[in-house]
Parts: sequence; structure tokens; C-alpha cells
Amino acid sequence: ETGVTQTPRHLVMGMTNKKSLKCEQHLGHNAMYWYKQSAKKPLELMFVYSLEERVENNSVPSRFSPECPNSSHLFLHLHTLQPEDSALYLCASSQEFGGTGELFFGEGSRLTVL
Amino acid sequence: AQSVTQLGSHVSVSEGALVLLRCNYSSSVPPYLFWYVQYPNQGLQLLLKYTSAATLVKGINGFEAEFKKSETSFHLTKPSAHMSDAAEYFCAGRSGNTPLVFGKGTRLSVIA
Repeated sequence: ETGVTQTPRHLVMGMTNKKSLKCEQHLGHNAMYWYKQSAKKPLELMFVYSLEERVENNSVPSRFSPECPNSSHLFLHLHTLQPEDSALYLCASSQEFGGTGELFFGEGSRLTVL
Repeated sequence: AQSVTQLGSHVSVSEGALVLLRCNYSSSVPPYLFWYVQYPNQGLQLLLKYTSAATLVKGINGFEAEFKKSETSFHLTKPSAHMSDAAEYFCAGRSGNTPLVFGKGTRLSVIA
């Protein structure tokens, strides 16, 4: 495996379910990110972790709960979601937070909330 | 704070024609600027980046972009469009140790 891997690629859940999205990076990076991509909207930064510490939390509803157990793994725990939460959730990593380094993205997890 | 504006949500060109995708930034300090491409059902892939070295930056797949401070622009160009260039393109930027901010994206269609 190389790069940034996201699982599952597709997820359908009801509003009362609890599920998790998983992201794993094999690049030796120190920063990891969750973005939300909805139709007709810019990419929305949700969370940033740098060296396993959360450094950004952009007013995301508490029904989204991130977890970063180590620098290679990032989770997004989902519970009691709303239909408007249906979107493509993208994970990314970078060597460090900020600076000149680019983000490397996974292929995304397409979430549909019924 | 850094912000990025992409002019035109959809651009359509003929195969073989010049591709020009526009991006303007606003920043109180010199920015770092990036162009990404997203193909259907995939994540974003870096095309090129500007980090205050050369103002003309060459990227993958024949794309290049020029940083123009006087115009606060970082437009993406390719001399000759190919069918495989059809995708969504995102301009992004940051200043210092701040999160990367993305534009709304421009969908490029290539007509045979």
C-alpha cells in the first residue's frame, strides 16, 4: 500500500446508526486532515491533527468525532447524522502542518445518510 | 487571512485548444499556492505548487502556472487540451502555518 488509503469507499447509513471512516497514510507524514466535499460547495476543512494533537476544529457538529491514535491513522466517528451530512469525505496528509508542503489526498469515502 | 477565488465554475474548450483556468488570491503575506485536479470518484492530486521560488511553475501533464504578484493571480494553463484533461480543478493557498484554503473549483470540459 502506498499513499493515503480510505475505507470504506462507500457507506450508506441511517440517521440512528453509528459508523466510522478510516484513513491510513503510508508516507511518514506528521499531519492528517479531514475534509468534507459537498456538491456546489468548496472543500470544507473539518479537522487537523499534527503529531497526533488536534490543531484545528472548524466548528464541526459534535455528531462528527475524530480520533488520531497515531501519526499514520485517522478516524472519523459518525453518529446520529442528518441527510445534509451526505457528502464525500476526504482524508489528507502532509509532512508538517502549514508551510510549503502539499497535501496528499485519499480517494474519499462517499457517505449517504438516509 | 488567506482566501482564494476561482473565476468560472465551468470552462469548456475544444481538444487541442489552450486551457486557461483562473485563480486569484488575497493575502497580507506572500502565499504558498497550489493547483489540484480531481477526476470523478477520486481524491485530489497535486498538479503544481508555488513556494516563492520561480514565478513560472511547471507541473504534471503539461500544465503550468505563473505567479503574478501585481495581479494577485496564479492562473493555470496548458497549451493544448486533451480529452483526458476533463476534470475538476482546484486552486488552493495558505500563508505561513495556516490551513490550506481551497477555491470552489472549476470543471473543465474538453470537446472533441
